[in-house]
Amino acid sequence: GDSVTQMEGPVTLSEEAFLTINCTYTATGYPSLFWYVQYPGEGLQLLLKATKADDKGSNKGFEATYRKETTSFHLEKGSVQVSDSAVYFCALSGNSGGYQKVTFGTGTKLQVIP
Amino acid sequence: NAGVTQTPKFQVLKTGQSMTLQCAQDMNHEYMSWYRQDPGMGLRLIHYSVGAGITDQGEVPNGYNVSRSTTEDFPLRLLSAAPSQTSVYFCASSYSTGALNTEAFFGQGTRLTVV
Repeated sequence: GDSVTQMEGPVTLSEEAFLTINCTYTATGYPSLFWYVQYPGEGLQLLLKATKADDKGSNKGFEATYRKETTSFHLEKGSVQVSDSAVYFCALSGNSGGYQKVTFGTGTKLQVIP
Repeated sequence: NAGVTQTPKFQVLKTGQSMTLQCAQDMNHEYMSWYRQDPGMGLRLIHYSVGAGITDQGEVPNGYNVSRSTTEDFPLRLLSAAPSQTSVYFCASSYSTGALNTEAFFGQGTRLTVV
């Protein structure tokens, strides 16, 4: 079945550092890929998405490129801020019996220190 | 613009008690689902619904029931609470059941402790 593997956290960075959170996936067909962010005490919210190979999703300075050849969707940001501290989930959306099925990774906690 | 509303936000139950977690969305979404979030395990799908009157099991359905009598509401029932059900529960909805590129909207979660 479908699966998503994320790098384990927590990740601790200084403000303005470069961020990479690795995500690889296993899926049949042509899934869509997502990054969700969960701020403390809140539900998940969509950060960015990509729906086909070589698409780049971007939002709030974060980027991720759908790499079919390496089955990856790594999240990057050039300069993190304290307000980026949160848990980040990689997810894929595939087809299961004609319906959308979303599979989440285990989440990576990011802490940015001033 | 309420989105997905979950109640309660916090709950403590004794082993063997039953309760219902409420979820409502006002976006006319077809697809609704329940997840539980546990440390180191990400989000695991409990039950989902592709429309009113239609529900199905997810990855970890045991000990939980759902129903979908209206498009808006998707309650999750714990039949006889067990300590293993201590978790954070999230309800989510999305517009289309068939399109793979639709995003999910999440409620703020219910933190449940079973003692």
